[in-house]
Amino acid sequence: SAVISQKPSRDICQRGTSLTIQCQVDSQVTMMFWYRQQPGQSLTLIATANQGSEATYESGFVIDKFPISRPNLTFSTLTVSNMSPEDSSIYLCSVGVAGAGGEQFFGPGTRLTVL
Amino acid sequence: QKEVEQNSGPLSVPEGAIASLNCTYSDRGSQSFFWYRQYSGKSPELIMSIYSNGDKEDGRFTAQLNKASQYVSLLIRDSQPSDSATYLCASEGKYGNKLVFGAGTILRVKS
Repeated sequence: SAVISQKPSRDICQRGTSLTIQCQVDSQVTMMFWYRQQPGQSLTLIATANQGSEATYESGFVIDKFPISRPNLTFSTLTVSNMSPEDSSIYLCSVGVAGAGGEQFFGPGTRLTVL
Repeated sequence: QKEVEQNSGPLSVPEGAIASLNCTYSDRGSQSFFWYRQYSGKSPELIMSIYSNGDKEDGRFTAQLNKASQYVSLLIRDSQPSDSATYLCASEGKYGNKLVFGAGTILRVKS
């Protein structure tokens, strides 16, 4: 399976600031996704990162708060904007390959704490 | 209504026993189902995929799917303390490619 890296692995940020998380894959993949996992909770899909076009956001998530870029088939960024303590969470990118039966593989995650 | 439901546990089993983890889903259109293992502080790791009714075995793991009952299960034979983790069930959603996760079941294997 693909090797996925995320930067930063963790960060502590101040309220009102923004943080950009990077996701890098070592091979071209069809699908890239961004999830949030709040403390003690399961995973919630934020958006599907589309190469060369605007991301597809899930209900409850908006582009102004979580802008996403995907300039090519191996890289994507998620920005958490105007952060509040409620944004404290683990943010995970995942990748899928067409024809792989919907399997997704996760990066190591970014642990974000907002003070 | 949650689309994928799991008992949060914790499920405690003695070392060497069979651990049985269960999951139900609401979307009859779902075709693909996955089990992920998540250790504390780590990201989810895919351990089983199942697409057809019946059983699928991989080492100590067996996934079972019953589409008529909308039920997926994971059996772990000869459970080891290293199997202690949260197990997440996921289905591929209505529109394909997107996964819907259950809340996860905490498994504790006691030596």
